[in-house]
Formats: sequence, structure tokens, C-alpha cells
Amino acid sequence: GNSVTQMEGPVTLSEEAFLTINCTYTATGYPSLFWYVQYPGEGLQLLLKATKADDKGSNKGFEATYRKETTSFHLEKGSVQVSDSAVYFCALGLNRDDKIIFGKGTRLHILP
Amino acid sequence: GAGVSQSPSNKVTEKGKDVELRCDPISGHTALYWYRQRLGQGLEFLIYFQGNSAPDKSGLPSDRFSAERTGESVSTLTIQRTQQEDSAVYLCASSLTGGLANEKLFFGSGTQLSVL
Repeated sequence: GNSVTQMEGPVTLSEEAFLTINCTYTATGYPSLFWYVQYPGEGLQLLLKATKADDKGSNKGFEATYRKETTSFHLEKGSVQVSDSAVYFCALGLNRDDKIIFGKGTRLHILP
Repeated sequence: GAGVSQSPSNKVTEKGKDVELRCDPISGHTALYWYRQRLGQGLEFLIYFQGNSAPDKSGLPSDRFSAERTGESVSTLTIQRTQQEDSAVYLCASSLTGGLANEKLFFGSGTQLSVL
């Protein structure tokens, strides 16, 4: 079946550190891939997406590249800020299905 | 409205009682989704509406769970005879047309349900 696996949290980093949150997927077909973010006290919101292999999604300094050969969509940021503290969800969607499948989420703490 | 609105934001109930959770999607959005998030777990798909019909109910965990949508707007998720394992955050999301894997979902802030 279709699924998403992302690294366990929480992840704790100091401000200005480099961030990687790993995400791998299993899918029949060619999914679109997403990262959603949930800031404290707020609803989930789309951070970035990629719809085909080798596409790179980017937003707010975050990037993720759709790697079909490794079935991965790792989230990266070169220099994190305290305001990036949130829960990050990797997700996939297939055109023939009507739902987006989410990973378990990774909680990120950034220390000043 | 400006965003997806869910009510109540918190609900505490006793085991065996019925509860109703409400979702107001963004005006004009035809697709509406319900997800459940248990503590420490990912988002679990429950049901999807396209307009007022539900083409995918595959995620409803038992026959105690039901959902409806009227007027292509408000949706209610009903849980009958609640059990402690139903305790979770119930999230609602809407999107403009649905059925497209690359379409953006807009989420509400969720209803935290606690069954004592």
C-alpha cells in the first residue's frame, strides 16, 4: 500500500544549524509529494510540494527534492531560526486516490 | 470565511456518550476531508467529501463513526458511544476541487476530543 515514513522526533538544534528531516515513501504509481508544517497553536499548512521526479519544492528557505530513485523527499534548510520550531509532516498524494497520506510528523525545536 | 473553522476546539465527554464535531470549510471549496491525529501519531484519514457525497469512507474506524455534509458547506462528524481510544485531535481540511493529488489542503485548528 501507499505510505510515508519520516524520521522520529523530536529534533533539537541550535539557531543557524543545518536541518535535514528525512522522508521516504512507498507508492504504486507516481505520487505528488508535500511537506506540511504545523506551528504551535495553528492548523497545518502547506510548506512546499513537488509533483514529479527531480522537481525541487522550496519555500521560506526550506527545500526538498523529489528523488524517485531513492523514493525520498528529504526536507532541508541551511540555517534554522527559532521561529521554525514546529511539527513537520511529509505527505503523498496520487491522482487516482482522493486522499493525501501523511507521515507521523517530526517535532522540531530550535534553541536560541 | 477566511479559513477552515472547527468547533468545538475542545470537547471532554464521558465514555458511552455521543459527540458531534463541526467543520466549516472555506467558502467555495467543494472537497472536504476529515483526519484524526492520536497523541504521538500521524494523521489518519477518515473520510472525504466531494460536494455532499462521500466517495471514500474507507478510513472510518468503525460503524460508531459517521459523517455528513449538507449544502456543500458544513460537515459534521458524529461519534456514537464514544470509547477512550477515540480520544484524539480531529482535523478537517478543505480544498478547491479535490480529487487532484497536487492540490493544496487548507486545515482547521482541530477539535481536541477527550473521552474519560
